[in-house]
Amino acid sequence: GIQVEQSPPDLILQEGANSTLRCNFSDSVNNLQWFHQNPWGQLINLFYIPSGTKQNGRLSATTVATERYSLLYISSSQTTDSGVYFCAPLYGNNRLAFGKGNQVVVIP
Amino acid sequence: GAGVSQSPSNKVTEKGKDVELRCDPISGHTALYWYRQSLGQGLEFLIYFQGNSAPDKSGLPSDRFSAERTGGSVSTLTIQRTQQEDSAVYLCASSSDRAGEQYFGPGTRLTVT
Repeated sequence: GIQVEQSPPDLILQEGANSTLRCNFSDSVNNLQWFHQNPWGQLINLFYIPSGTKQNGRLSATTVATERYSLLYISSSQTTDSGVYFCAPLYGNNRLAFGKGNQVVVIP
Repeated sequence: GAGVSQSPSNKVTEKGKDVELRCDPISGHTALYWYRQSLGQGLEFLIYFQGNSAPDKSGLPSDRFSAERTGGSVSTLTIQRTQQEDSAVYLCASSSDRAGEQYFGPGTRLTVT
């Protein structure tokens, strides 16, 4: 099956800092989603992004499908941004493949 | 409208017992998915439904696991003769169509003692 690698695995940020999370995947995909898993375990949808760039407030994402990677940018980080970020390409037209996630801690 | 809901939120069961986990997808979503999240395996796909049919069951880890969907809506995941390695959070997701954006429920935390 498809392999998904996320980096860095752990990230500590000072509040207000910017960061970039990277997701590499091993095969062609039809689509890709980014999620934020909050401390209660709920997966919150951030982006549904097969290609190109999208922005939502302080977050933006870019997927370059031909080069098999996606990036998530967090600007002016806040403590509420803490949690685990998952990249999940859609493959086989029906299943999401998850990486191990990026554990982000934002300290005040 | 309402999001994906799952019940129970927590389930503790003894090894060897059967359990049923329920998922109510977003109204009108034709595609439904089950995943599980465990410390050792991360987040992994279990099964996909399109309507009431399950064209992809390839993620089910053993024949003790089964799932059904009725009326194109509610789905039940059944685990027979539970084992300790079945302990995990079971997540359900739905999407408006097969390749659409998936939305997740809050999960059922299963603990097998």
